Order: sequence, then structure tokens, then C-alpha cells
Amino acid sequence: KAGVTQTPRYLIKTRGQQVTLSCSPISGHRSVSWYQQTPGQGLQFLFEYFSETQRNKGNFPGRFSGRQFSNSRSEMNVSTLELGDSALYLCASSSQGPPLAEEQYFGPGTRLTVT
Amino acid sequence: GENVEQHPSTLSVQEGDSAVIKCTYSDSASNYFPWYKQELGKRPQLIIDIRSNVGEKKDQRIAVTLNKTAKHFSLHITETQPEDSAVYFCAASRRNNNDMRFGAGTRLTVKP
Repeated sequence: KAGVTQTPRYLIKTRGQQVTLSCSPISGHRSVSWYQQTPGQGLQFLFEYFSETQRNKGNFPGRFSGRQFSNSRSEMNVSTLELGDSALYLCASSSQGPPLAEEQYFGPGTRLTVT
Repeated sequence: GENVEQHPSTLSVQEGDSAVIKCTYSDSASNYFPWYKQELGKRPQLIIDIRSNVGEKKDQRIAVTLNKTAKHFSLHITETQPEDSAVYFCAASRRNNNDMRFGAGTRLTVKP
């Protein structure tokens, strides 16, 4: 099976702009989670989508949002970008059943730089 | 929500020695505990996981132990090799809830 893919791989934006990142999960996986990875904060959970519904949400401001489509592909959006949003954004997919399987498989990430 | 603490933040060992990384979690309902290895510039890769109905699991040179009473779990790497050098992350989540929280990571360096 093809692995998790993310587009674009690299992105440079200016403060105040908005950005949309895309994640295609492993075929058959219904759950997509998003994480922000920075050197200082490690891997921080943003949100998780399952069957087009946001099931879990981390402690990020409302500027961070996402959605999932009927084919399980997911997008995340960050509005009004700030310098501190510069990070590697990773998505991970898992089956979440049936049968229930929690293993998450990560995509290569999108490196966002905000100037 | 769940809070996962990981120690140490850096670990340096000689090739052939063992390495141990420890994590504690706060949510007693957590029952799935994976470990990920992330090499420089690459995505995190699942290396081993354990569920709450098991106390220990081994896969070749890697083992994970879980103490549910104390709410801590550990990763053990034996006969370390230079290619084991990477950042290792522990995580915890509930089985039917994919809200996975990660530890801050441990940078392991194996010196040849």
C-alpha cells in the first residue's frame, strides 16, 4: 500500500496570510491526525478526524482548523499566520477499525516557514 | 487531558551498551502506548507498541515494559548500534479514542 502523503512538502508564507495543507492517508484508513513539530515544543497534537468528523482537538487557537473529506483525505488550514507558526506539520493515519487498530503512520510532513 | 513526560531528554551510550528511556502518563484510561523513532529529517516511524493488557513486549533488540499501577512505561534497547542514533518519542492514547499525546522526545546518540 502507498504510505501517507502530504502536500506541499515546503511552503513559505508571510505573516497575516493563510495556508492550507493536505494529507492523503493510507488506503482504507479512516482516521487522520495532525501534529505540529517544533524544536522547542516537540510533537503537539492539533486535531483528529474520523469519518469526516473532528473527534479530538488539542490546545491550539481557533486559527487552526481542519476538515476531512468522504475519501478520508484531510486538510488543515491556518489563518492569520504568525511567526511562531513556523514548524513541521505532520499528519498521521490509522485504521481505527474494524478491526480496531490504533497504530498511526506518519506522512513526510509539510515544512512551513512564516516570514 | 493526557500529559506524557519523557526522560531523559538526551542520552549518550557506547556501542553495544543498553539504553533505557522512561515515560510517565497521567490519564489512567490510556491503554495504548507506542514508541516512535525519528531520524534527522525523516518522519516518525513506529518501532514498537504495547497495550494495557500486556506488561512487556519484545522485538529483537527492543523491548517495552508497562506498569499500569505506577502509570509508567519504558523503552529498552540492547546491544545498541550507531544506526540506533535518533530521537525517540513515547506516546499514550485510549484504545477507542485517537487523541494521542507525545512525550518531548529523547535524543539518543550511540558512539562507535
